[in-house]
Amino acid sequence: EAQVTQNPRYLITVTGKKLTVTCSQNMNHEYMSWYRQDPGLGLRQIYYSMNVEVTDKGDVPEGYKVSRKEKRNFPLILESPSPNQTSLYFCASSQLGNRGNTEAFFGQGTRLTVV
Amino acid sequence: QQQVKQSPQSLIVQKGGISIINCAYENTAFDYFPWYQQFPGKGPALLIAIRPDVSEKKEGRFTISFNKSAKQFSLHIMDSQPGDSATYFCAASRGTYKYIFGTGTRLKVLA
Repeated sequence: EAQVTQNPRYLITVTGKKLTVTCSQNMNHEYMSWYRQDPGLGLRQIYYSMNVEVTDKGDVPEGYKVSRKEKRNFPLILESPSPNQTSLYFCASSQLGNRGNTEAFFGQGTRLTVV
Repeated sequence: QQQVKQSPQSLIVQKGGISIINCAYENTAFDYFPWYQQFPGKGPALLIAIRPDVSEKKEGRFTISFNKSAKQFSLHIMDSQPGDSATYFCAASRGTYKYIFGTGTRLKVLA
């Protein structure tokens, strides 16, 4: 089954304690990205990657890091989480066709609370 | 120039009615305009998408209308059903560039 898998689904952590949210896709997609979803603000892109070792900032990259060492994995790293990073996070992947971006497949989401 | 403005923020429609959600963009380089549907506790899922070389695309009860000159596109849900109650996001993308999402519309269809 084609899917994007995020872990964990729920996470409560304390300010300053480094954490990683994993994302893996089994569709051999080139494009992967991370979003945060906040009420009234919709989905805002944090980082995206167009292929292995190719990453770029989205609209809200501050406080986040990513890496793309393998095509299937795109972890999101919060080196020193703060309460304003409490949010619902989604990973997504998509195929880059000859006309650019196509359908994005989203993971189930990770609800992060930083206290 | 990178924003996609979506309206309304929320929408209540009677069963069998037409739901209309609108989006406007500034960047004329956008070339892919999808709509995503999200149910509570789930990730968004593609509903329907359009590229700017056509003015309308229909899939079942869902239609995208695209007005290139006005830089607007809209989602029409015909014969709206309670099962359509969800949050809808429009989005825009340019080539291999990042996706830009609207702020979402929470649709409630009354039985």
